[in-house]
Amino acid sequence: DTGVSQDPRHKITKRGQNVTFRCDPISEHNRLYWYRQTLGQGPEFLTYFQNEAQLEKSRLLSDRFSAERPKGSFSTLEIQRTEQGDSAMYLCASSWTTQETQYFGPGTRLLVL
Amino acid sequence: KQEVTQIPAALSVPEGENLVLNCSFTDSAIYNLQWFRQDPGKGLTSLLLIQSSQREQTSGRLNASLDKSSGRSTLYIAASQPGDSATYLCASPSGRTAGNKLTFGGGTRVLVKP
Repeated sequence: DTGVSQDPRHKITKRGQNVTFRCDPISEHNRLYWYRQTLGQGPEFLTYFQNEAQLEKSRLLSDRFSAERPKGSFSTLEIQRTEQGDSAMYLCASSWTTQETQYFGPGTRLLVL
Repeated sequence: KQEVTQIPAALSVPEGENLVLNCSFTDSAIYNLQWFRQDPGKGLTSLLLIQSSQREQTSGRLNASLDKSSGRSTLYIAASQPGDSATYLCASPSGRTAGNKLTFGGGTRVLVKP
């Protein structure tokens, strides 16, 4: 499969626990994006990387959230001290810098109890 | 700041009827506009991308138009089928170059009844 992959697909956790999600972009795509989508809404931008550099972070990304993209390949999104309001679908997308189309992964659905 | 709106939020049509989905945006100086499909609990699938210099784009039964002056894009799906049931999202990049973060509308949830 040469598409964007995300792991895990589903995560249930208790409030206060830490969770980490992984995204593997399409090979050789140098841009990687994270979005969050709550039920009935469109996705909202969280952050993006060009290679290993994190170029922009949304105000939605509180200090409990951290994202990394070591070596410019896969990326991880960690949420510390999860809250019920963090329950959402977390989507990853990748593209070439000069390519308009972003290719999305299947998402990780997080439920915080 | 770009804002994208999709109305209605939900739409139900009988099989065979043509679908017309609307998308409005506030910044007419858009770089491009993209339409996506999302099945329940799944990621997004890119359907069509219209460059700012284009007025429409077609792929099979799908046709998307772009009117920058009025801040509108429309996605037409001809001869709808039950398999077209999904949520359709439009999105525009926030910047004036390729590869920028996308601003999405809230989506239109479509149900095509057999």
